[in-house]
Amino acid sequence: DVKVTQSSRYLVKRTGEKVFLECVQDMDHENMFWYRQDPGLGLRLIYFSYDVKMKEKGDIPEGYSVSREKKERFSLILESASTNQTSMYLCASSLETAFSGANVLTFGAGSRLTVL
Amino acid sequence: AQTVTQSQPEMSVQEAETVTLSCTYDTSESDYYLFWYKQPPSRQMILVIRQEAYKQQNATENRFSVNFQKAAKSFSLKISDSQLGDAAMYFCAYRSRDYGQNFVFGPGTRLSVLP
Repeated sequence: DVKVTQSSRYLVKRTGEKVFLECVQDMDHENMFWYRQDPGLGLRLIYFSYDVKMKEKGDIPEGYSVSREKKERFSLILESASTNQTSMYLCASSLETAFSGANVLTFGAGSRLTVL
Repeated sequence: AQTVTQSQPEMSVQEAETVTLSCTYDTSESDYYLFWYKQPPSRQMILVIRQEAYKQQNATENRFSVNFQKAAKSFSLKISDSQLGDAAMYFCAYRSRDYGQNFVFGPGTRLSVLP
């Protein structure tokens, strides 16, 4: 089974701190995604990456940055955490190939971040 | 840009009964994928079912089936013989067939299953 592992399940940080959320997948997927999940808003895309060192802004990139130095790892960085970034963060990955049929997202367990 | 709408924030169903969750989407594309994902309380999001837009036949996975109406841009999920383990948030999602495209999610429907 494809595994997407997020390094921290729960984090509590102070306003202004730098926060790193790590995500690793073990199935050689090209695409990786960071979503933010808030009640009533569904999942909103922060950033995604379709190749190493490649990144694309999603719907809500402000206040976030990402890094993808290796294919299996996609990091989300909050340079200076703020209280409005308190949320659940979901990492996901998918295969990208013309022959794969419907590409499917595989999710990590999520990282619940609280910024005080 | 594509959008996905789920008009039912919450639904409930009696155990063993059938429930239908609604999803509509907006797109100008003719070829795409649609998905239903399930997120149980405090657990990982998992795929329930998927549909390719060029296939007219509705997808089915055991007790889960969809009613895909391409012209109406509607993609509802039917859960038959509901079980307590079906209680979860359900998200409808859209993805373009183009390379490197994002998945667009609806706001979700919280399903409760009553014993």
